[in-house]
Amino acid sequence: QLQLQESGSGLVRPSQTLSLTCAVSGASISSDGYSWSWVRQPPGRGLEWIGYIYHSGRNYYNPSLRSRVTISGDRSKNQFSLRLTSVTAADTAIYYCARAPYNYDYGFDFWGQGTLVTVSS
Amino acid sequence: QSALTQPASVSGSPGQSITISCTGSSRDIGGYNYVSWYQQYPGKAPKLLIYKVVNRPSGISSRFSASKSGNTASLTISGLQAEDEAEYYCCSYSSTSIVDVIFGGGTKLTVL
Repeated sequence: QLQLQESGSGLVRPSQTLSLTCAVSGASISSDGYSWSWVRQPPGRGLEWIGYIYHSGRNYYNPSLRSRVTISGDRSKNQFSLRLTSVTAADTAIYYCARAPYNYDYGFDFWGQGTLVTVSS
Repeated sequence: QSALTQPASVSGSPGQSITISCTGSSRDIGGYNYVSWYQQYPGKAPKLLIYKVVNRPSGISSRFSASKSGNTASLTISGLQAEDEAEYYCCSYSSTSIVDVIFGGGTKLTVL
């Protein structure tokens, strides 16, 4: 059974860098046919796509976050990571990792439970 | 990058059918068959209900159906049940960038 588990710092100071990791079990991030994504949700608000990493390692990012975002993969640990630089209070959100099969065309079929990141001094 | 437009709330009685609309543009919903729908309970991760406009993943009830006309996608829930009370989000690929994915603002479904 596929499982995705987010981990990382729950409190980040303004202007610092947010770092999260998504550990994947039950599937390989190197397998053709899937991309792996980060999606966030500010408390009480809607969902926002952050970006993808494909099995090839290629990335695509939300244009509004592109200058601050890096998503990378570690095949040896079967996990992928998110780095968001120069954070502000507006980056406070629940961060989810998710899988998107290519044949679902941007549909996210499995999600992690989410992890709350608060940006505050 | 604008969010897709959904009604903030809809309601219905058990057994009834409701429809949630999701309006975008020719650069997203109207231009591609890449619309998905999610159900989210408070404190839980979203759950995929529909992908590629009309397709249900394995295990999703046939009470959930969807369609698209022009720049508007719709999710219909038939035979409404108390357990359907949740937040619903639409999502679409958008051609504003090389790859861009946008969500609707969400619709709170209340089962009366």
